[in-house]
Amino acid sequence: EPEVTQTPSHQVTQMGQEVILRCVPISNHLYFYWYRQILGQKVEFLVSFYNNEISEKSEIFDDQFSVERPDGSNFTLKIRSTKLEDSAMYFCASSGTSGVQGQFFGPGTRLTVL
Amino acid sequence: QKEVEQNSGPLSVPEGAIASLNCTYSDRGSQSFFWYRQYSGKSPELIMSIYSNGDKEDGRFTAQLNKASQYVSLLIRDSQPSDSATYLCAALNTGTASKLTFGTGTRLQVTL
Repeated sequence: EPEVTQTPSHQVTQMGQEVILRCVPISNHLYFYWYRQILGQKVEFLVSFYNNEISEKSEIFDDQFSVERPDGSNFTLKIRSTKLEDSAMYFCASSGTSGVQGQFFGPGTRLTVL
Repeated sequence: QKEVEQNSGPLSVPEGAIASLNCTYSDRGSQSFFWYRQYSGKSPELIMSIYSNGDKEDGRFTAQLNKASQYVSLLIRDSQPSDSATYLCAALNTGTASKLTFGTGTRLQVTL
């Protein structure tokens, strides 16, 4: 069964450093998302991406964040200058039909900012 | 603020019983609803979707939607210890067709 994959599974970085989180969505999906979940809290939407552009972003997704689809398979989230409060699980998700059939989540990247 | 509300639990049910999980939402523009299961330290796993008022059954799971009351529920029949997890309710506003708004989740414990 096709699935979303994410790398790395765990990333430790120093405050102020840049990180890139990588995702390979399900191959025939056209809509891509990033969510995050701070430990013990709810899953929060960051950004959605369709047709090579951002379709919606949340207040969390400020100028420190960017997304890119550098080739036909990868989808990346870059955090330019990490803060302590960026420590969270970051989930990539994809869907085939604008999300109405559900979004399928990858295993996540645990980001720890020291 | 568009919210999805769930009782955090834990909800404890004996093995073989029916577990009933509930969710309310505030955004009347929400048209699609999803239940995800999340084991500790893992990612959300989609288990049910529902779009129309009424019931939708899939194996041991039944999702129920009442748009007038802005209420969604999930019934798990013949609960098993492996069902012990946090169940997340999520709403999609198909006008935006983008983000899922999640509740905080209900932790279910199925006891032997």
